[in-house]
Amino acid sequence: EIVLTQSPGTVSLSPGERATLSCRASQSVSSNYLAWYQQKVGQAPRLLIYGASRRATGIPDRFSGSGSGTDFTLTISRLEPEDFAVYYCQHYGTSVWTFGQGTKVEIK
Amino acid sequence: QVQLQESGPGLVMPSQTLSLTCTVSGGSISSGGYYWSWLRQHPEKGLEWIGFILNSATTAYNPSLKGRVTISVDSSENQFSLQLSSVTAADTAVFYCARCARFDQAFGVDVWGQGTTVTVSS
Repeated sequence: EIVLTQSPGTVSLSPGERATLSCRASQSVSSNYLAWYQQKVGQAPRLLIYGASRRATGIPDRFSGSGSGTDFTLTISRLEPEDFAVYYCQHYGTSVWTFGQGTKVEIK
Repeated sequence: QVQLQESGPGLVMPSQTLSLTCTVSGGSISSGGYYWSWLRQHPEKGLEWIGFILNSATTAYNPSLKGRVTISVDSSENQFSLQLSSVTAADTAVFYCARCARFDQAFGVDVWGQGTTVTVSS
């Protein structure tokens, strides 16, 4: 089973700043099987990025994903007020799908 | 567009079977290629994949649930269901039904239900 470790656990930023979120896999994974989600309080998660770098339908271009092997990054170029939320990475394994523990992006 | 809605009891007794249904609207559950999935989120915790059913026949479940899970489809009702047996307080969570789509070689859970809270307690 692939273990995903996200860092930092919490990041405090101001609107307009850049957010860089990390997701590290316990072993090398295919980029095709790495996705990112945003979850706001009381809501279901929302797909942001699939295939490590492809934006889902309707996702603003301030969100971008990158990485390969064991290290993946979600970048929010300029934080908008609605971007303060928890972000999860996910791996689609052959026997189990796993999630990272999440990174909370909070307002500074 | 496709929407999902969970339904089922909000309270389940310990050792009993938790049963939830997800109703699909705006599309057919028989549309090929989608992984109709269940996930859960324990209070103040992260997300956990429970399992999926593909093409009404192929299933896969999280090994951590040790054979307690069954996911099935009722195509006539455009629904899919989750059964989780021998529940304990540790199964208390928000349960989500969801659709995982394949984009070329990649995957993404692109449609989610709103989630339903299930508490295991006597």
